[in-house]
Order: sequence, then structure tokens, then C-alpha cells
Amino acid sequence: DTAVSQTPKYLVTQMGNDKSIKCEQNLGHDTMYWYKQDSKKFLKIMFSYNNKELIINETVPNRFSPKSPDKAHLNLHINSLELGDSAVYFCASSQEGGTSGSTFNEQFFGPGTRLTVL
Amino acid sequence: ELKVEQNPLFLSMQEGKNYTIYCNYSTTSDRLYWYRQDPGKSLESLFVLLSNGAVKQEGRLMASLDTKARLSTLHITAAVHDLSATYFCAVDAGKSTFGDGTTLTVKP
Repeated sequence: DTAVSQTPKYLVTQMGNDKSIKCEQNLGHDTMYWYKQDSKKFLKIMFSYNNKELIINETVPNRFSPKSPDKAHLNLHINSLELGDSAVYFCASSQEGGTSGSTFNEQFFGPGTRLTVL
Repeated sequence: ELKVEQNPLFLSMQEGKNYTIYCNYSTTSDRLYWYRQDPGKSLESLFVLLSNGAVKQEGRLMASLDTKARLSTLHITAAVHDLSATYFCAVDAGKSTFGDGTTLTVKP
């Protein structure tokens, strides 16, 4: 069973378009994250939600808007895509306190979405 | 702001050799994580270190944490090709901050 899944796996689009990436976790975790990994493999946190509430909102252009309809889902919508948005976007989840088979915010990552903006 | 520095960023090793990757961080924390990322793949958790002096071992990899020195090490013993990957440390001080990653290449 897939623990953290993302769709789509690949996304190729034109500058100026709007796109969404979806993430779902079946681990029962309370916290979910979005990360951006650039071409140099640097990994930077963008957002974090705990039980559907936004708890981390890093310095990210407001063209990026996360939405968590429930604690198992965290989606990322991007408006007016720019060339610099090209990257791999990872969703992750974690659980505080060592429950649900994980230990103290150990993060479980989705497979990633490779976004290419042309 | 928490800074996490890994070194080296790139490491090329011969099979059978030993080496250590270092992870320094700038603020107090007793939660440190090591992740592995294979090329084109996602990150998977390797070790969770939750206290000063914690040591964890899995196969040819051993991780340790010194919270007083704000330093974690990932030691590789008798490297094999299958260990070729990028290794990230991450420190949790309210949120997880990742190091820049160490790309390890093990050559025959």
C-alpha cells in the first residue's frame, strides 16, 4: 500500500498557466508538508499543515496556495506559473509522539511531482 | 534562523573504504534525522536520533548525535556500490530544516 501518494508524477506546462498537485497519505498522520527541490537537489520547506491548519508558511510567492480539505490530503495550487517554478515538489507527512509507526516527526515522503514550466 | 551544514557535498569513494559525512547545525535541538535519496527518487528515512549520544546502525551505515557540539555524523563502513545516493540530514527545531545533501558515489 502506498503511504504518501502524489498526482501527477510529471507536469509540463506553459508559463502563465495555473496548475494543481494533489497529495494523500494513508498513515493517519496529523502533519503534512510541501517541499520544493531544485535542480541542485536543495530541499526547502514551503508549507506545513497540522490537522488541516496551516502552521508553517515559508517565504513563498503568494501564487502558491496550499489547501487541506482533511488531515489526509494536502493540495498545492500554483497560479501564473513562471520558469523558476520548475522543480520537483515533494509532499510529506509525519506524526508527533511516535504513534502510527513513526517516530517523533520522522517524515515520510511522496514520490514527487516533476514540474517543468516552458 | 536555523542553519544546517553538511560536508562534504560530494564524495567519491572506492568500494571497501570507510568515510564519514558531517552535519553541523546552528541552534539547540535534540532531534536529527538522516534521509537517503536515490537519483530520480523520493527521500526515505534512514535514522532518527533523539538524544545526546544517540547512535543508530543499519548495515554499513552508522549515525550518531552530539547535541552539545551540534553535530551528527553518518559513518560509512566498507562502502559498496549500492550505497551510492544523496544523503540528507535534517534538524527539527520547531520545523525540519534540511542540509544541502551529500552526494555519494561508490566506485569499484
